[in-house]
Amino acid sequence: EPEVTQTPSHQVTQMGQEVILRCVPISNHLYFYWYRQILGQKVEFLVSFYNNEISEKSEIFDDRFSVERPDGSNFTLKIRSTKLEDSAMYFCASRWDTSQETQYFGPGTRLLVL
Amino acid sequence: AQSVTQPDIHITVSEGASLELRCNYSYGATPYLFWYVQSPGQGLQLLLKYFSGDTLVQGIKGFEAEFKRSQSSFNLRKPSVHWSDAAEYFCAVLAGGTSYGKLTFGQGTILTVHP
Repeated sequence: EPEVTQTPSHQVTQMGQEVILRCVPISNHLYFYWYRQILGQKVEFLVSFYNNEISEKSEIFDDRFSVERPDGSNFTLKIRSTKLEDSAMYFCASRWDTSQETQYFGPGTRLLVL
Repeated sequence: AQSVTQPDIHITVSEGASLELRCNYSYGATPYLFWYVQSPGQGLQLLLKYFSGDTLVQGIKGFEAEFKRSQSSFNLRKPSVHWSDAAEYFCAVLAGGTSYGKLTFGQGTILTVHP
């Protein structure tokens, strides 16, 4: 069964550094998402991406964050100038099209900013 | 804006007992509702979903959920819990009419199963 994959599973970085979280969505899916979950808090929407552009973003997704689909398979989240409060589990999700509302999630990347 | 409340942060049941996890949503129109489960070290796995039609929906692993519009609820149930059901459960709502599909999640309910 196709699944969403994410790398790395864990990432530790120093405050102020840049990190790139990688995701491989299910092939032939058209809509891509990033969510995050700070320890003990809700899963929160960050950004949605369709047709090679951001379709919606939350207030969390400030100008330090960016997303990219550099090729036909990868979907990346870049965080520049990381802050302590960026420490969280980051989930990637994908969806086929608007007739299929189900989003399929990856296992997550645990990011720790020191 | 839509919101989801899961009143129970942590529930403990004995193996073989029945289970009900509560979920209340706030949304002005007919919502699309989901239950996801997250086992340790795993991603969010879809258990079941409600879009329209029959208000009692069946999912994987023997779970079911009932949509009650009058109570703005979408509670998850299982008649007999197995030890492998221990996990964290998330209720989520998708704003209808939003093509890009932002999910709003509840806080999550951690389920512990005693032998």
